[in-house]
Amino acid sequence: DQQVKQNSPSLSVQEGRISILNCDYTNSMFDYFLWYKKYPAEGPTFLISISSIKDKNEDGRFTVFLNKSAKHLSLHIVPSQPGDSAVYFCAATGNTPLVFGKGTRLSVIA
Amino acid sequence: DGGITQSPKYLFRKEGQNVTLSCEQNLNHDAMYWYRQDPGQGLRLIYYSQIVNDFQKGDIAEGYSVSREKKESFPLTVTSAQKNPTAFYLCASSTRHLTLQPQHFGDGTRLSIL
Repeated sequence: DQQVKQNSPSLSVQEGRISILNCDYTNSMFDYFLWYKKYPAEGPTFLISISSIKDKNEDGRFTVFLNKSAKHLSLHIVPSQPGDSAVYFCAATGNTPLVFGKGTRLSVIA
Repeated sequence: DGGITQSPKYLFRKEGQNVTLSCEQNLNHDAMYWYRQDPGQGLRLIYYSQIVNDFQKGDIAEGYSVSREKKESFPLTVTSAQKNPTAFYLCASSTRHLTLQPQHFGDGTRLSIL
């Protein structure tokens, strides 16, 4: 039973355009959400997070939106750069250990 | 420079052999975690430790064992009871368990069966 779902295994975007990565969750007890970025043969690195008391959080080119009623969050990257090509994991917690989605592989094409 | 060190980067195991993966952190974090990643899969929690001399099973603990004798170290042993050990193993730490501070990850150990 997947509590955190990333339904798009991969996404290709042209350099300079917006990348939108989506994540859905089923556990209504989740109240804190994180995005991690992972390059091959490396560990994930933290990108951005959002608490359930907010619906938006920005950090430079990265913005995360949270829609609690739909149990949906999205990561926007604007503008996309070739160095953004990586696997992006959505993770959630609600007084529990982190639960990760399966990841979305983003390819930014120059 | 603070961080998490996992060693070795690549490890090969023969059938029926136990192997131990090392994880050391110098971030002064209380909580440490072991995850397993399989191709096309997310990270699945094997074990975690909130404090020295304490650890709890995660979602897929069968066939694995851990110890937490020092704050800095959280080694993972993959025993012969783990029937499908080939995977990428990631160690992580955080200031404390269930904190809103993000986990920091090591660069992983890839384990393969000969």
